[in-house]
Amino acid sequence: DARVTQTPRHKVTEMGQEVTMRCQPILGHNTVFWYRQTMMQGLELLAYFRNRAPLDDSGMPKDRFSAEMPDATLATLKIQPSEPRDSAVYFCASGPSGEETQYFGPGTRLLVL
Amino acid sequence: TQLLKQSPQFLSIQEGENLTVYCNSSSVFSSLQWYRQEPGEGPVLLVTVVTGGEVKKLKRLTFQFGDARKDSSLHITAAQTGDTGLYLCAGDWGGGNKLTFGTGTQLKVEL
Repeated sequence: DARVTQTPRHKVTEMGQEVTMRCQPILGHNTVFWYRQTMMQGLELLAYFRNRAPLDDSGMPKDRFSAEMPDATLATLKIQPSEPRDSAVYFCASGPSGEETQYFGPGTRLLVL
Repeated sequence: TQLLKQSPQFLSIQEGENLTVYCNSSSVFSSLQWYRQEPGEGPVLLVTVVTGGEVKKLKRLTFQFGDARKDSSLHITAAQTGDTGLYLCAGDWGGGNKLTFGTGTQLKVEL
């Protein structure tokens, strides 16, 4: 049963610290998405990649957030420096080529104090 | 920015009741998806609708896409406690897999 995996599942950190979240997409999926979910804003698209190339990161605060795909099995989302307003659940999703379906991971719950 | 508004925002019903959730936009979708999200998990796809007026059924769930492809509804018949969760619609405006998610409907079904 192929699934998207995310680590860590939970992260508590202090303001100003660097946070790195990791995602392993489903093998063979060539599209990877990063989302952020909060009660106030709902589920927002931060960035997405196709064949490891960034296609759109317009939803991401550029000054502190960065997203990369070092290889086809790993996507990372980094926040440096983190702020309390970054507290949210961050989801990674992947999808196969030619399909609209996105398969979500379980999320990383981030709390910045 | 395209917006997807869902209503109601919250819904609490008894097991066995019927309910309908709505998803509306001022823009035309190329396709629309419905997801369900349970606590501590990511959203899981329920259905994709593509054609205006299309109706799809998934057991007790009936999904309808508006004729003009600007709105959609999800109807649940004889709700069960297992239907509890956050229901999200997501629209694709032809941006190549890029989805915009709705505001969500939090459903609670009680015994």
